[in-house]
Amino acid sequence: EAGVAQSPRYKIIEKRQSVAFWCNPISGHATLYWYQQILGQGPKLLIQFQNNGVVDDSQLPKDRFSAERLKGVDSTLKIQPAKLEDSAVYLCASSRLGQGAGNTIYFGEGSWLTVV
Amino acid sequence: AQSVSQHNHHVILSEAASLELGCNYSYGGTVNLFWYVQYPGQHLQLLLKYFSGDPLVKGIKGFEAEFIKSKFSFNLRKPSVQWSDTAEYFCAVNLRGGSQGNLIFGKGTKLSVKP
Repeated sequence: EAGVAQSPRYKIIEKRQSVAFWCNPISGHATLYWYQQILGQGPKLLIQFQNNGVVDDSQLPKDRFSAERLKGVDSTLKIQPAKLEDSAVYLCASSRLGQGAGNTIYFGEGSWLTVV
Repeated sequence: AQSVSQHNHHVILSEAASLELGCNYSYGGTVNLFWYVQYPGQHLQLLLKYFSGDPLVKGIKGFEAEFIKSKFSFNLRKPSVQWSDTAEYFCAVNLRGGSQGNLIFGKGTKLSVKP
């Protein structure tokens, strides 16, 4: 089956500019996640969707980050305005359901953001 | 706060050597445990997971991990590594019954295997 698709793969922007990342999960996966991975650290969950509803956005910096999954399929993560510390890899992931022992999370290849 | 510690930042081994990567977590409740691997230029992939039952879990490519509840540990092992195991390995934890997405990851251990 096709994996989690993300675009763009790489983006360089100046601070205070905006950027948007797109994610298309594996077909049939109800749950979609956005993670942020800063160099030298493990991924950190930013937001989790179940279909088109937000399950967890407690670690999303809402003053500058926003995400939506309007039709319950693909999703967009936006940063506006960007700060230098937002330089990271933004990972999208999906799973069939959000809870339960049998649900493996599948990750995309990530979108690399450099803020200069 | 919940956290995951991976003891080694970078491990260098020769082929056929045995591997053990340490992982400790700090949380007193019931947890699910995972090891993910990221090969160079590729996405994160699940290596193995522990939810309940036998604390010795076998994963793909000959990897296994043992959950020792009393030590809050979930160390990853492989008896004989290959050059193709060169990758970064991440241990992760989440709360049993919680949202599976809220995985708490360690900082990762980079494994380099010399041919």
